[in-house]
Amino acid sequence: AQSVAQPEDQVNVAEGNPLTVKCTYSVSGNPYLFWYVQYPNRGLQFLLKYITGDNLVKGSYGFEAEFNKSQTSFHLKKPSALVSDSALYFCAVRDRGDYKLSFGAGTTVTVRA
Amino acid sequence: NAGVTQTPKFQVLKTGQSMTLQCAQDMNHNSMYWYRQDPGMGLRLIYYSASEGTTDKGEVPNGYNVSRLNKREFSLRLESAAPSQTSVYFCASSTGGPNNQPQHFGDGTRLSIL
Repeated sequence: AQSVAQPEDQVNVAEGNPLTVKCTYSVSGNPYLFWYVQYPNRGLQFLLKYITGDNLVKGSYGFEAEFNKSQTSFHLKKPSALVSDSALYFCAVRDRGDYKLSFGAGTTVTVRA
Repeated sequence: NAGVTQTPKFQVLKTGQSMTLQCAQDMNHNSMYWYRQDPGMGLRLIYYSASEGTTDKGEVPNGYNVSRLNKREFSLRLESAAPSQTSVYFCASSTGGPNNQPQHFGDGTRLSIL
């Protein structure tokens, strides 16, 4: 079985400040990990993924994520947030060898000007 | 390049009515998926099709049926709609196989059942 937890329903930051969205996961084997972003009335858009190798993954729009195997975490980060980063963010995990992707409940990010 | 296209975008049904949600992708992807999104619950997988000609149940399949019409199209049917099926439904596709490729999503169908 696989699952994802996003412990924060909401994250509020000021523009220009660092942004972190937390994610922890549980899988029986080795994970593929993904972050997606959803803007109002739109589908999910892929941001980045962790497959193997370097624990720091860089993705779209200046986002990056750090994989920590010992803490089973995959936190999303952005050094300097923009108002346009305000959206709903989802972490997802897939156990290698499985077709199915499991999503967290989502974290709403609000960046104030 | 349209990606994943879902129709309709909005629909209101009465309890007991039936309806088919349509999904088509133009990326030559092998795998397709149907999810529902409810507040505070993330996305939950209803059914998926690993490849043309195959379909499998996901996490919440009860009350739904699917058809993989061809490689491009994957439809979701509600035979007798219930208020608990009020949700936003998303179709997604990916290159296929239990691999590391991301899924690509449509913009959703917002379904209300009265």
